[in-house]
This record gives sequence, structure tokens and C-alpha cells, in this order.
Amino acid sequence: ETGVTQTPRHLVMGMTNKKSLKCEQHLGHNAMYWYKQSAKKPLELMFVYSLEERVENNSVPSRFSPECPNSSHLFLHLHTLQPEDSALYLCASSQDWGFSTGELFFGEGSRLTVL
Amino acid sequence: KQEVTQIPAALSVPEGENLVLNCSFTDSAIYNLQWFRQDPGKGLTSLLLIQSSQREQTSGRLNASLDKSSGRSTLYIAASQPGDSATYLCALMNSGYSTLTFGKGTMLLVSP
Repeated sequence: ETGVTQTPRHLVMGMTNKKSLKCEQHLGHNAMYWYKQSAKKPLELMFVYSLEERVENNSVPSRFSPECPNSSHLFLHLHTLQPEDSALYLCASSQDWGFSTGELFFGEGSRLTVL
Repeated sequence: KQEVTQIPAALSVPEGENLVLNCSFTDSAIYNLQWFRQDPGKGLTSLLLIQSSQREQTSGRLNASLDKSSGRSTLYIAASQPGDSATYLCALMNSGYSTLTFGKGTMLLVSP
């Protein structure tokens, strides 16, 4: 496989469930990102990992918990979500983070619905 | 705080037309600007990346320009086709911020 792969593509969960989103990049990049895309709003950056260390946490509620076990994989653990958290969650990667970030490559997204 | 505006929000054209999508930004201290395409329910596909030192980039029927002094970028699509129908987003990286700020996008519909 090439590029950035996200699973699952669709997820429906109740407010008391615990689930995880997975992202894998096959580009040899050092930086990975989670973005949230809600209807009628610009993409919102949630987290940035560079070389497996979290370098950005954009005031995201603690019910979203990221994990980056290695430079190729990124997870977003979800628990006790609210209906307003329903959105398309996009993973992205870039060669590096910082001034040499360069081009951003996105996955297909995980469509989350919270009932 | 950087603000990115894309006009128009939606655009409908017949096949074959040349068209221009606009992106404006409030802080000209940018590092680069990137145009993306997003099909419904899908992820973003990078179209063009313009570094701050560049004025334009071209890829096939697409041409993107950057004018930092006026805070504007345009995406020119030549000879539009129905397959160009999608939402087009611009995103830019501010010098010193290291993250992208996105516009809300322009939804393009090209009719056969």
C-alpha cells in the first residue's frame, strides 16, 4: 500500500463507548496529524506528532486521546464522546514538522457518528 | 491570527469553461500555500504547493498563483471537465506557526 490509510472509514458509537481510529502512512514521513472536519467549518488541527512526540495539542478535549507508537502509525482513542463530536476525522502526514514541513498528504478520513 | 477566506463558496459552470478560484489571507508572513481537492466524503488530495519565494505553480490544467503583498492566491482551472467537480481548499502555513490554516473551500460543479 502507498500513501496514508485510515480505518475504519465509518464508525457509529454511543456516548459511553470507547473506540479508536487508526492511521498508517507508507511515505516514510516524520510528522503525522489529526484534523477534524465539521460541516460548514474549516479543518481544525487537533494534534501533531513529530518523530513520535506530540508537538501540538490544539486545545482538544481529553475525551480525545492520541497515540503514536512509531513514525508510521497514529491512533485517536475516543471515549465518552458527545453528539457534537460527529465529524470527518482526517489523518495527514508530512516529511517533517516545522519550517521544512513541505507538502501535506491526507488519508480518506474516518466518518464518525456519535448517537 | 491568520484568517483565510475563499470566494466564491460555491460555483457552477458548464463544461469547457476556464475558471478562477480565489483565496485571500490576512497575514502575509506565510511560509507556503497549498491547494487541495476534496471529493464528497473523502480525504484531501494535494494539487499544488507554492513556496513563499515562488509566484506560481502549474500542473496540467491547473495553475496557482501567489501574491503575498496583496494577501491573495488564485487557482486557475483551464477547460473545466465534469471530473473537476469537487471542493477546493486552500491552506497556508504561517512563518513561525508550523501548522496549516485552512479556508472553508469552494464547492465546484462542472456540468456536462
